[in-house]
Amino acid sequence: GESVGLHLPTLSVQEGDNSIINCAYSNSASDYFIWYKQESGKGPQFIIDIRSNMDKRQGQRVTVLLNKTVKHLSLQIAATQPGDSAVYFCAGSHTGANSKLTFGKGITLSVRP
Amino acid sequence: NAGVTQTPKFRILKIGQSMTLQCAQDMNHNYMYWYRQDPGMGLKLIYYSVGAGITDKGEVPNGYNVSRSTTEDFPLRLELAAPSQTSVYFCASSDGLAGASGANVLTFGAGSRLTVL
Repeated sequence: GESVGLHLPTLSVQEGDNSIINCAYSNSASDYFIWYKQESGKGPQFIIDIRSNMDKRQGQRVTVLLNKTVKHLSLQIAATQPGDSAVYFCAGSHTGANSKLTFGKGITLSVRP
Repeated sequence: NAGVTQTPKFRILKIGQSMTLQCAQDMNHNYMYWYRQDPGMGLKLIYYSVGAGITDKGEVPNGYNVSRSTTEDFPLRLELAAPSQTSVYFCASSDGLAGASGANVLTFGAGSRLTVL
C-alpha cells in the first residue's frame, strides 16, 4: 500500500527566507504527487502537483522536486511570507482506475517576522 | 460560486446520538469525498462517490453511512456517535477521481468540527 509521510512536524523560518518542506513515500508505483496548504480553520487548498515523469515543477514562488530514486519529494517556497504560515500536506497515488490519494500527516510552517 | 459548502461548522453530540453532516457543491463535479482529520494526522478517506446513486467505502468507513441522490449533495450520516468519531470532517469534490491518472484536484469545504462526549 501507499504510505506518505512528512519528515518533521514543524518548521519555523524567518520571513523572506526560503522554506523547504520534505516528504517521503513508500510505494515505488506512486506516479502522482500533490501538495495542499491548510490555513487555520479552513479546508486544504491545492498548491502544486507533479507527475512521476517530471523531476521538477514550478509555480508562483513554489517549486516541487521529485526524486524517484529515494522516493522523496519536497516543496520549496521562495521568499516566505507571513501568509505562508499553515499546515502543508503532501499526498500521493498510483495509476489505476480506483486509485485514491494517500495523505501525509502534515507539517506546520511558522513564519517569524 | 460557493464551491463546496459544509454544515454545520461545529457540533457537540452525546454518545449514541445520530446526526448528518451536510455537503453540497455547485461545480457540477461527479466525484465527492468525505475525509476525517484527527490532530497531527493526515486526512483519512471515509467514503466517496463517483456519481449520483453510486458510493463506495474508503479507508475508515465503519460507523458512517453516505448517500448520493443528486450530483450536488453528499451527506455523511453518523448513526450511533462514539468518542472515537470526534474529529474534523472535510467534504471534497473533483472533476475526476482524485489520484487516478488525469490528476484531478480536490476542492475542499471548510470543515465540520464534531465532538462526541
